Amino acid sequence: DTGVSQDPRHKITKRGQNVTFRCDPISEHNRLYWYRQTLGQGPEFLTYFQNEAQLEKSRLLSDRFSAERPKGSFSTLEIQRTEQGDSAMYLCASTPPGGGYGYTFGSGTRLTVV
Amino acid sequence: GNSVTQMEGPVTLSEEAFLTINCTYTATGYPSLFWYVQYPGEGLQLLLKATKADDKGSNKGFEATYRKETTSFHLEKGSVQVSDSAVYFCALSDVLNAGNMLTFGGGTRLMVKP
Repeated sequence: DTGVSQDPRHKITKRGQNVTFRCDPISEHNRLYWYRQTLGQGPEFLTYFQNEAQLEKSRLLSDRFSAERPKGSFSTLEIQRTEQGDSAMYLCASTPPGGGYGYTFGSGTRLTVV
Repeated sequence: GNSVTQMEGPVTLSEEAFLTINCTYTATGYPSLFWYVQYPGEGLQLLLKATKADDKGSNKGFEATYRKETTSFHLEKGSVQVSDSAVYFCALSDVLNAGNMLTFGGGTRLMVKP
């Protein structure tokens, strides 16, 4: 069990640039979630996939954000035209078939927009 | 909507002291309640959970009881260790929500001194 992997661990980008993060869930997990955690706050739900279908998106996910999960395996989260307010830790998690509460979180990607 | 409120930190204790971290919630449906722990540089890990009123979740000496009458899920440990130093998050998931998304509190940092 290799757990949930996220890449990169850290990303520093200039305001206005586009960034893309990757998440590799546990292989037998069919649900994949993205959360955002700002400094000193708890994680906030962004979106989730069941297999390749994106089933729900939070209002936090503006038009500059897009997430994909091709073939129901890894997922990418892209932020276009980054703003300083996008600086946060982006967490990925996956759960096994049947949902339930067996969340496994990755270590996150820390984004800093300068 | 759903929300979770937990006591602000940091909480600083000496080793072997008694720990209480308060957590209260607001939910429109029938929530399951969780405590997650985040050690430095690591992803969130499930510490314990309770899925219905009066259930007690326990793990590694930590306990929390689901109190529906007071909408609370306080975390307790009788004797903390230096290795318990981490950030603790209270969270809920509404069983009426098919996606099983988590709503987190703001987190409480615990520092245990030898």
